[in-house]
Amino acid sequence: DQQVKQNSPSLSVQEGRISILNCDYTNSMFDYFLWYKKYPAEGPTFLISISSIKDKNEDGRFTVFLNKSAKHLSLHIVPSQPGDSAVYFCAATARVQGAQKLVFGQGTRLTINP
Amino acid sequence: DTAVSQTPKYLVTQMGNDKSIKCEQNLGHDTMYWYKQDSKKFLKIMFSYNNKELIINETVPNRFSPKSPDKAHLNLHINSLELGDSAVYFCASSQDTRYNEQFFGPGTRLTVL
Repeated sequence: DQQVKQNSPSLSVQEGRISILNCDYTNSMFDYFLWYKKYPAEGPTFLISISSIKDKNEDGRFTVFLNKSAKHLSLHIVPSQPGDSAVYFCAATARVQGAQKLVFGQGTRLTINP
Repeated sequence: DTAVSQTPKYLVTQMGNDKSIKCEQNLGHDTMYWYKQDSKKFLKIMFSYNNKELIINETVPNRFSPKSPDKAHLNLHINSLELGDSAVYFCASSQDTRYNEQFFGPGTRLTVL
Protein backbone atom coordinates (compact mmCIF):
# COMPACT_ATOMS: atom_id res chain seq x y z
CA ASP A 1 0.00 0.00 0.00
CA GLN A 2 2.59 2.46 -1.18
CA GLN A 3 0.90 5.85 -1.02
CA VAL A 4 3.50 7.64 -3.14
CA LYS A 5 4.74 5.94 -6.27
CA GLN A 6 7.45 6.73 -8.77
CA ASN A 7 6.91 4.18 -11.49
CA SER A 8 10.10 4.87 -13.42
CA PRO A 9 13.12 3.50 -11.57
CA SER A 10 15.46 5.20 -14.01
CA LEU A 11 15.56 7.89 -16.69
CA SER A 12 18.29 8.85 -19.12
CA VAL A 13 18.32 12.29 -20.76
CA GLN A 14 20.69 14.13 -23.06
CA GLU A 15 22.43 17.18 -21.62
CA GLY A 16 20.56 20.36 -22.47
CA ARG A 17 17.22 18.61 -22.96
CA ILE A 18 14.27 18.52 -20.57
CA SER A 19 14.07 15.90 -17.81
CA ILE A 20 10.57 15.01 -16.61
CA LEU A 21 10.18 12.94 -13.47
CA ASN A 22 6.75 11.70 -12.48
CA CYS A 23 5.08 10.83 -9.21
CA ASP A 24 1.61 9.54 -8.32
CA TYR A 25 -0.09 9.46 -4.94
CA THR A 26 -3.20 7.87 -3.54
CA ASN A 27 -3.92 9.68 -0.27
CA SER A 28 -6.15 12.74 -0.80
CA MET A 29 -5.14 14.00 2.67
CA PHE A 30 -1.68 14.93 1.42
CA ASP A 31 -1.46 18.72 1.40
CA TYR A 32 2.15 19.43 0.49
CA PHE A 33 4.56 17.83 -1.92
CA LEU A 34 8.33 17.94 -2.13
CA TRP A 35 11.13 16.75 -4.37
CA TYR A 36 14.43 15.66 -2.91
CA LYS A 37 17.67 14.96 -4.72
CA LYS A 38 20.12 12.36 -3.48
CA TYR A 39 23.71 11.68 -4.44
CA PRO A 40 25.40 8.36 -3.50
CA ALA A 41 26.53 8.12 0.14
CA GLU A 42 24.76 11.38 1.01
CA GLY A 43 21.42 12.23 2.55
CA PRO A 44 18.51 13.55 0.49
CA THR A 45 18.63 17.29 -0.22
CA PHE A 46 15.50 19.39 -0.56
CA LEU A 47 14.99 20.66 -4.09
CA ILE A 48 11.55 22.20 -4.57
CA SER A 49 8.06 21.92 -3.13
CA ILE A 50 4.45 22.77 -3.87
CA SER A 51 1.37 23.29 -1.78
CA SER A 52 -1.83 21.50 -2.70
CA ILE A 53 -3.51 24.87 -3.31
CA LYS A 54 -1.18 25.55 -6.26
CA ASP A 55 -0.65 23.79 -9.55
CA LYS A 56 2.82 25.05 -10.40
CA ASN A 57 5.95 26.21 -8.65
CA GLU A 58 9.11 27.31 -10.39
CA ASP A 59 12.65 27.78 -9.10
CA GLY A 60 15.29 28.42 -11.72
CA ARG A 61 15.67 25.34 -13.91
CA PHE A 62 13.25 23.35 -11.75
CA THR A 63 9.46 23.41 -12.04
CA VAL A 64 7.01 21.22 -10.20
CA PHE A 65 3.49 20.68 -11.54
CA LEU A 66 0.62 19.34 -9.47
CA ASN A 67 -2.56 17.83 -10.91
CA LYS A 68 -4.76 17.19 -7.89
CA SER A 69 -7.62 15.59 -9.80
CA ALA A 70 -5.21 13.02 -11.23
CA LYS A 71 -3.21 12.80 -7.99
CA HIS A 72 -0.09 13.32 -10.03
CA LEU A 73 2.92 15.58 -9.82
CA SER A 74 5.93 16.02 -12.01
CA LEU A 75 9.32 17.66 -11.82
CA HIS A 76 10.69 19.35 -14.91
CA ILE A 77 14.38 20.18 -15.19
CA VAL A 78 15.37 22.34 -18.12
CA PRO A 79 18.00 22.48 -19.39
CA SER A 80 19.39 19.28 -17.85
CA GLN A 81 23.00 19.38 -16.73
CA PRO A 82 25.44 16.55 -15.86
CA GLY A 83 25.36 17.61 -12.21
CA ASP A 84 21.65 16.78 -12.16
CA SER A 85 22.51 13.07 -12.32
CA ALA A 86 21.19 11.72 -9.02
CA VAL A 87 18.26 9.85 -7.50
CA TYR A 88 15.15 12.00 -7.18
CA PHE A 89 12.58 11.27 -4.50
CA CYS A 90 9.06 12.55 -4.52
CA ALA A 91 7.52 13.04 -1.07
CA ALA A 92 4.12 14.04 0.27
CA THR A 93 3.13 15.25 3.70
CA ALA A 94 0.17 14.76 5.93
CA ARG A 95 -0.24 16.05 9.43
CA VAL A 96 -0.12 13.11 11.81
CA GLN A 97 -0.03 13.28 15.60
CA GLY A 98 0.80 16.99 15.49
CA ALA A 99 3.73 16.61 13.12
CA GLN A 100 4.33 16.69 9.40
CA LYS A 101 4.94 13.13 8.27
CA LEU A 102 6.84 12.75 5.01
CA VAL A 103 5.91 9.78 2.82
CA PHE A 104 8.45 9.06 0.10
CA GLY A 105 8.32 7.39 -3.27
CA GLN A 106 10.95 4.83 -4.14
CA GLY A 107 13.00 7.22 -6.24
CA THR A 108 13.97 7.67 -9.90
CA ARG A 109 17.61 7.54 -10.92
CA LEU A 110 18.24 10.32 -13.42
CA THR A 111 21.30 10.11 -15.67
CA ILE A 112 22.26 13.09 -17.80
CA ASN A 113 24.39 12.08 -20.77
CA PRO A 114 26.93 14.58 -22.18
CA ASP B 1 29.97 22.86 10.05
CA THR B 2 27.65 20.14 8.80
CA ALA B 3 23.99 20.95 9.46
CA VAL B 4 22.84 17.42 10.34
CA SER B 5 25.55 14.92 11.24
CA GLN B 6 25.38 11.24 12.07
CA THR B 7 27.90 8.84 13.57
CA PRO B 8 29.02 6.34 12.63
CA LYS B 9 28.71 6.44 8.84
CA TYR B 10 29.15 2.67 8.59
CA LEU B 11 28.35 0.04 11.19
CA VAL B 12 28.96 -3.69 10.76
CA THR B 13 27.93 -5.96 13.60
CA GLN B 14 26.78 -9.44 14.50
CA MET B 15 23.22 -10.58 15.06
CA GLY B 16 22.12 -10.21 18.64
CA ASN B 17 24.37 -7.25 19.43
CA ASP B 18 23.17 -3.87 20.69
CA LYS B 19 24.26 -0.72 18.85
CA SER B 20 23.60 3.01 18.83
CA ILE B 21 23.58 5.65 16.10
CA LYS B 22 23.99 9.29 17.06
CA CYS B 23 22.55 12.34 15.35
CA GLU B 24 23.20 16.02 15.94
CA GLN B 25 21.83 19.11 14.20
CA ASN B 26 23.25 22.62 14.52
CA LEU B 27 20.36 24.36 12.75
CA GLY B 28 18.52 25.31 15.90
CA HIS B 29 15.57 23.17 14.82
CA ASP B 30 12.96 21.90 17.26
CA THR B 31 11.93 18.71 15.46
CA MET B 32 14.04 15.67 14.57
CA TYR B 33 13.30 12.41 12.78
CA TRP B 34 14.68 8.95 12.10
CA TYR B 35 14.08 7.29 8.72
CA LYS B 36 14.98 3.83 7.46
CA GLN B 37 15.86 3.15 3.83
CA ASP B 38 15.50 -0.55 3.18
CA SER B 39 16.91 -2.75 0.42
CA LYS B 40 14.10 -1.68 -1.91
CA LYS B 41 15.20 1.94 -1.42
CA PHE B 42 12.00 3.07 0.28
CA LEU B 43 12.57 5.81 2.86
CA LYS B 44 10.17 5.32 5.75
CA ILE B 45 9.75 7.35 8.88
CA MET B 46 10.36 5.59 12.16
CA PHE B 47 10.22 8.27 14.87
CA SER B 48 9.87 12.00 15.34
CA TYR B 49 10.72 14.13 18.35
CA ASN B 50 9.75 17.73 19.02
CA ASN B 51 11.61 19.55 21.78
CA LYS B 52 12.74 16.20 23.20
CA GLU B 53 9.22 14.74 23.20
CA LEU B 54 8.20 11.77 21.07
CA ILE B 55 5.44 12.78 18.63
CA ILE B 56 5.55 10.14 15.89
CA ASN B 57 6.15 6.46 16.56
CA GLU B 58 5.51 4.29 13.52
CA THR B 59 5.11 0.53 13.73
CA VAL B 60 8.68 -0.15 14.78
CA PRO B 61 9.81 -3.12 16.91
CA ASN B 62 10.40 -2.35 20.58
CA ARG B 63 14.05 -3.21 20.02
CA PHE B 64 14.40 0.28 18.55
CA SER B 65 14.51 3.01 21.17
CA PRO B 66 15.12 6.64 20.29
CA LYS B 67 16.49 9.03 22.88
CA SER B 68 16.65 12.81 22.74
CA PRO B 69 18.88 14.25 25.49
CA ASP B 70 18.27 17.76 24.13
CA LYS B 71 16.59 19.19 21.06
CA ALA B 72 19.83 19.20 19.06
CA HIS B 73 20.40 15.46 19.47
CA LEU B 74 18.37 12.38 18.62
CA ASN B 75 20.05 9.02 19.09
CA LEU B 76 18.79 5.63 18.01
CA HIS B 77 19.56 2.54 20.08
CA ILE B 78 18.86 -0.90 18.66
CA ASN B 79 18.80 -4.01 20.87
CA SER B 80 19.23 -7.62 19.75
CA LEU B 81 20.05 -6.75 16.15
CA GLU B 82 18.51 -8.94 13.44
CA LEU B 83 19.48 -9.51 9.81
CA GLY B 84 16.43 -7.53 8.67
CA ASP B 85 17.70 -4.44 10.48
CA SER B 86 20.36 -4.03 7.79
CA ALA B 87 19.55 -0.75 6.07
CA VAL B 88 20.61 2.86 5.79
CA TYR B 89 19.29 4.99 8.64
CA PHE B 90 18.82 8.71 8.07
CA CYS B 91 18.36 11.38 10.67
CA ALA B 92 16.56 14.59 9.70
CA SER B 93 15.39 17.82 11.29
CA SER B 94 12.87 20.55 10.57
CA GLN B 95 12.39 23.98 12.08
CA ASP B 96 9.37 22.80 14.00
CA THR B 97 6.31 20.63 13.49
CA ARG B 98 4.65 23.15 11.17
CA TYR B 99 7.36 23.04 8.54
CA ASN B 100 7.39 20.50 5.75
CA GLU B 101 10.99 20.89 4.64
CA GLN B 102 13.26 18.45 6.40
CA PHE B 103 17.06 18.49 6.32
CA PHE B 104 18.74 15.12 6.22
CA GLY B 105 21.99 13.76 7.58
CA PRO B 106 24.35 11.69 5.42
CA GLY B 107 23.00 8.37 6.65
CA THR B 108 24.41 5.41 8.59
CA ARG B 109 24.73 2.14 6.72
CA LEU B 110 24.07 -0.68 9.17
CA THR B 111 25.02 -4.21 8.17
CA VAL B 112 24.04 -7.08 10.44
CA LEU B 113 25.90 -10.34 9.79
